[in-house]
Amino acid sequence: DQQVKQNSPSLSVQEGRISILNCDYTNSMFDYFLWYKKYPAEGPTFLISISSIKDKNEDGRFTVFLNKSAKHLSLHIVPSQPGDSAVYFCAASFGNEKLTFGTGTRLTIIP
Amino acid sequence: GAGVSQSPSNKVTEKGKDVELRCDPISGHTALYWYRQSLGQGLEFLIYFQGNSAPDKSGLPSDRFSAERTGGSVSTLTIQRTQQEDSAVYLCASSLAGRETQYFGPGTRLLVL
Repeated sequence: DQQVKQNSPSLSVQEGRISILNCDYTNSMFDYFLWYKKYPAEGPTFLISISSIKDKNEDGRFTVFLNKSAKHLSLHIVPSQPGDSAVYFCAASFGNEKLTFGTGTRLTIIP
Repeated sequence: GAGVSQSPSNKVTEKGKDVELRCDPISGHTALYWYRQSLGQGLEFLIYFQGNSAPDKSGLPSDRFSAERTGGSVSTLTIQRTQQEDSAVYLCASSLAGRETQYFGPGTRLLVL
């Protein structure tokens, strides 16, 4: 049972444009959400998080939006840069439980 | 500062052999996780240690897989009688507590021939 889903395995975006990565979840108890970024041959690195009491969190070029009624979150990157090319994982948790990760979306920024 | 380290970085083994993968978490982190990522797949949770609590082993795919964490620090993931389908990148992560941000190591790339 995949509780956190990233339905787009890949996404290509022109440099300078906005990249939007999507994530859906099924467990309404999740109250903390994160995005991780992974380059080849490296471990994932934390990017940005949001708690369920908010609907938006921004950090520089990265903004995460949370729509609790739709059980959907998205990561916006603007403007997209070549160094943003990586695999992006969303993750969710509740209480003190472990994180549940999605399957990842490979983002390619086209120069 | 020191991050999460894993060894070996690469391991090639023959089918049927046992392998041990090591993880050194960030000092002071009470939570430690093992994941694996097979080619083209997402992060598959394997096992979770939190302080002195009994580990959450719900993600271990078979009884050939086991892990221990000694002294609340270093962890070893052991795969017995390896199979070709065990080939994957095995990632370790640690965090201050169960739901806090996880910091990942670089992974061990395991290839079972």
